[in-house]
Amino acid sequence: QQQVKQSPQSLIVQKGGIPIINCAYENTAFDYFPWYQQFPGKGPALLIAIRPDVSEKKEGRFTISFNKSAKQFSLHIMDSQPGDSATYFCAARALNDYKLSFGAGTTVTVRA
Amino acid sequence: GAGVSQTPSNKVTEKGKYVELRCDPISGHTALYWYRQSLGQGPEFLIYFQGTGAADDSGLPNDRFFAVRPEGSVSTLKIQRTERGDSAMYLCASSPGANTEAFFGQGTRLTVV
Repeated sequence: QQQVKQSPQSLIVQKGGIPIINCAYENTAFDYFPWYQQFPGKGPALLIAIRPDVSEKKEGRFTISFNKSAKQFSLHIMDSQPGDSATYFCAARALNDYKLSFGAGTTVTVRA
Repeated sequence: GAGVSQTPSNKVTEKGKYVELRCDPISGHTALYWYRQSLGQGPEFLIYFQGTGAADDSGLPNDRFFAVRPEGSVSTLKIQRTERGDSAMYLCASSPGANTEAFFGQGTRLTVV
């Protein structure tokens, strides 16, 4: 049973566009929500993370929006570049837990 | 500073054989995790070590899978009597403590033929 549902499965944007990836969860014990970026043949690398006490967090061109009441969060990639083409995973972890529950991933392709 | 290192990068084995996958965590990280990632899916938790002991092995799919971390550093994931369904990317991660950021290695791609 997947605890974090991620959509879409894939998306294609033109350079400069804003891909948006959405995730939803049910477990109200989750209190840490990281996003990972994974290139082919590599392990996931932490991109940005948020806790439920804030509704938005920005790091460079990456922004997380968090809606606690809806139990949803999303990743926006501003001014996307071809080098951003990768698979993105949302994840969640409960307070004082160590296990990450991952979404199924979204493959983003940014066309030049 | 080196990151998490996993060897081999790729492993092809015949059905029924035994395999060992190695993980060298970041120096000083006490927490170590193994995850399995099937094609087109997100990583799924297998086992967690705090120091030398397996604090949680609830994600191991069956008793063919076993992992050790005898000196609290390097860990080995062992799979007996491999099956084609074991084919996946096996990821290792480490962190300074249990609730801190986890850093992943590049993974071992296991293919059982």
